[in-house]
Amino acid sequence: NAGVIQTPRHKVTGKGQEATLWCEPISGHSAVFWYRQTIVQGLEFLTYFRNQAPIDDSGMPKERFSAQMPNQSHSTLKIQSTQPQDSAVYLCASSLEGGRVEQYFGPGTRLTVL
Amino acid sequence: GEKVEQHESTLSVREGDSAVINCTYTDTASSYFPWYKQEAGKGLHFVIDIRSNVDRKQSQRLIVLLDKKAKRFSLHITATQPEDSAIYFCAASKGGSAKLIFGEGTKLTVSS
Repeated sequence: NAGVIQTPRHKVTGKGQEATLWCEPISGHSAVFWYRQTIVQGLEFLTYFRNQAPIDDSGMPKERFSAQMPNQSHSTLKIQSTQPQDSAVYLCASSLEGGRVEQYFGPGTRLTVL
Repeated sequence: GEKVEQHESTLSVREGDSAVINCTYTDTASSYFPWYKQEAGKGLHFVIDIRSNVDRKQSQRLIVLLDKKAKRFSLHITATQPEDSAIYFCAASKGGSAKLIFGEGTKLTVSS
């Protein structure tokens, strides 16, 4: 069991460029979550999928951010026209089911927007 | 919106002593309370959780207490060891929603 895999581990983009972050959940897990971690805001929920369907995107900034889960083996978080305030560690997690159960976190992708 | 507050931003204890980290939450519908540990430069690692149908849970040196009336829960680490040093996050979620609302984190330092 390789755990949740996130790629790339580090990404540096220029202001206004697009960034795509990838997540491979643990095999057999039906729920995938995205969170963002910054020093100022702490850990913030962004969005989650269950059985590939979007369930709750209440934490997603309405503009520029989008997430997809085209198949059960990966999810992507895309940020268009990146801004310096998007700089953060983006964490992906998966769980066996989308309920009150342990979420397994990946190592995160550190995004730096210059 | 729902908030989770973690009362201690830092905590220092001597090896062998107990450490207690306290959290409060605002949403009375919250029913699941996990704790995560984050070591420097690493992701979040699950340590223990408690559900609202019980008020105490223990796993080896870790004890979680839940006081639903006070909307408060706490993590007790007994017989601390230097490898317990990390940032600990409490979180809460409510029935029907899997998203976790996290506290601000407590940096625990265990000195030998």
